[in-house]
Amino acid sequence: GENVEQHPSTLSVQEGDSAVIKCTYSDSASNYFPWYKQELGKGPQLIIDIRSNVGEKKDQRIAVTLNKTAKHFSLHITETQPEDSAVYFCAASYSTGNQFYFGTGTSLTVIP
Amino acid sequence: GAGVSQSPRYKVAKRGQDVALRCDPISGHVSLFWYQQALGQGPEFLTYFQNEAQLDKSGLPSDRFFAERPEGSVSTLKIQRTQQEDSAVYLCASSLAAGEETQYFGPGTRLLVL
Repeated sequence: GENVEQHPSTLSVQEGDSAVIKCTYSDSASNYFPWYKQELGKGPQLIIDIRSNVGEKKDQRIAVTLNKTAKHFSLHITETQPEDSAVYFCAASYSTGNQFYFGTGTSLTVIP
Repeated sequence: GAGVSQSPRYKVAKRGQDVALRCDPISGHVSLFWYQQALGQGPEFLTYFQNEAQLDKSGLPSDRFFAERPEGSVSTLKIQRTQQEDSAVYLCASSLAAGEETQYFGPGTRLLVL
């Protein structure tokens, strides 16, 4: 099956700085890559996703890039704010079956 | 509209007890997923329903775990003879249609087995 690795496991940034989280996947058949934000005691919330026919997608302060050849994708958060502090998970899935394979998470702390 | 809801939010069970966890997906969503999230880890897939049909149960860790969705809406995950290693957050997610990729997660049920 698919194996998703995520780095770093923890990340601290000053408010206003950028944060980058990276993930790699093992199965070239994966073609959908969502990113989820999970706050303490809550379920994961989708923040952005990208499909394999797209190299980059942006939504306000959040962007995701995908390199299919290298099998890695990254989350970029610009102008970070304290409310961005949470655990972020990347995931990968195939076009059929729809099971998500999650990374191990990145705990992001934005220091005011 | 209402999102995915799960109940109970917290459950404490003594080792050996049976538990039942409920998931109410978003109304009209065809696909329903259960995941298990251990402390400090990402969610891991347990099982998948399309309407009332359980199409994939490859992630269920043992035959003590059983899931059902008899009418194609509400789903129940049952764990028999709970063990300490079953302690985790159990997440339910739903998506609009088969092949629709976006999954919407509920808040989870935190299970603690003593």
